[in-house]
Amino acid sequence: EAQVTQNPRYLITVTGKKLTVTCSQNMNHEYMSWYRQDPGLGLRQIYYSMNVEVTDKGDVPEGYKVSRKEKRNFPLILESPSPNQTSLYFCASRQGWETQYFGPGTRLLVL
Amino acid sequence: DQQVKQNSPSLSVQEGRISILNCDYTNSMFDYFLWYKKYPAEGPTFLISISSIKDKNEDGRFTVFLNKSAKHLSLHIVPSQPGDSAVYFCAALSSGANNLFFGTGTRLTVIP
Repeated sequence: EAQVTQNPRYLITVTGKKLTVTCSQNMNHEYMSWYRQDPGLGLRQIYYSMNVEVTDKGDVPEGYKVSRKEKRNFPLILESPSPNQTSLYFCASRQGWETQYFGPGTRLLVL
Repeated sequence: DQQVKQNSPSLSVQEGRISILNCDYTNSMFDYFLWYKKYPAEGPTFLISISSIKDKNEDGRFTVFLNKSAKHLSLHIVPSQPGDSAVYFCAALSSGANNLFFGTGTRLTVIP
């Protein structure tokens, strides 16, 4: 079954404590992205990757890091989380735009 | 600045009737548009798309209309079914770009 998995699904943390949200896809897609969804703002792209070792900033990259060491994995790293990073995060992978699959989401609360 | 806007946060429709969801955009460079559907606790799923060279695209009960001069698109669902109850996101991009711009979503409720 084609899928994008994210872990954890829910996370509560404190300001400044580094965290990583993992993302994995089983479709051999080249493109992967991270989005955040906030009330009144829709989904906004944080970072994307066009292939292994190729990443670039999206709309709202400040405070985030990513890496793409393997094709299937695209972790999102918050080195020093702040309360304004409290959000719902989605990982996605695609070949074409019509075949963009999203993960189930990670709800993050930063206290 | 929100480049893709969905001005109706919610819409309620009787089962069997037509649902019309609207979307406006400001960037004239956008030339490809997509609609996504999202259920609670799940990620968005692709529903239907349209290129700017067309003004209509149909897939079963779903039809998307594009009015380039008005920078407006709409999604029609006919007939609406209770399983269509979800949040619908409009999204847009420019050819060759890797960034997809989403609207804020419209929550559709289809009343049995």
